[in-house]
Amino acid sequence: DAKTTQPPSMDCAEGRAANLPCNHSTISGNEYVYWYRQIHSQGPQYIIHGLKNNETNEMASLIITEDRKSSTLILPHATLRDTAVYYCIVRVGAAGNKLTFGGGTRVLVKP
Amino acid sequence: DADVTQTPRNRITKTGKRIMLECSQTKGHDRMYWYRQDPGLGLRLIYYSFDVKDINKGEISDGYSVSRQAQAKFSLSLESAIPNQTALYFCATSGWERTDTGELFFGEGSRLTVL
Repeated sequence: DAKTTQPPSMDCAEGRAANLPCNHSTISGNEYVYWYRQIHSQGPQYIIHGLKNNETNEMASLIITEDRKSSTLILPHATLRDTAVYYCIVRVGAAGNKLTFGGGTRVLVKP
Repeated sequence: DADVTQTPRNRITKTGKRIMLECSQTKGHDRMYWYRQDPGLGLRLIYYSFDVKDINKGEISDGYSVSRQAQAKFSLSLESAIPNQTALYFCATSGWERTDTGELFFGEGSRLTVL
């Protein structure tokens, strides 16, 4: 699975959009981009995933560049409950379910 | 009730003791995983199983063993616990159907301390 690079930490103001970048320059054509988050020491929670098109769900939006070498997770209106570690992971889709977690980005949403 | 249940949630033990962490799921998934998380770090895969008769080593399997007793149950054992196995352990499940997203569903975690 391709390796990802994320900033170790970032702050965000409550109510504002949080834009979380991820670089995956060695991604293969059949690898998806997945985002998970981990609040405190709870089990990681799935947020969103995509292959090459931008995706949106009730939690977030995922923007993938045209060359697929980077992506951005957007939390449109960050709340204090969005404070968590966010993991960007790339891997072959459902057929290869192993996830390799990197260090992630520690996001602190401030009032 | 949680879809993925881990027991015990917390355990303190001594070096050399045998420890078993249990995981059960009601998702009906064939695939189950055990991960380990050390403070401030991401999760690392210990073992995974794609069905009842399938067991595979992950990136850090040394010192651990697993048993897939049934589709819904996947246990992790430390035959002789050592202090550097002190960590937070997570069980996870996933489906494999074409309609599945590949999402992993995690349990609440089992915090193990080896003295």
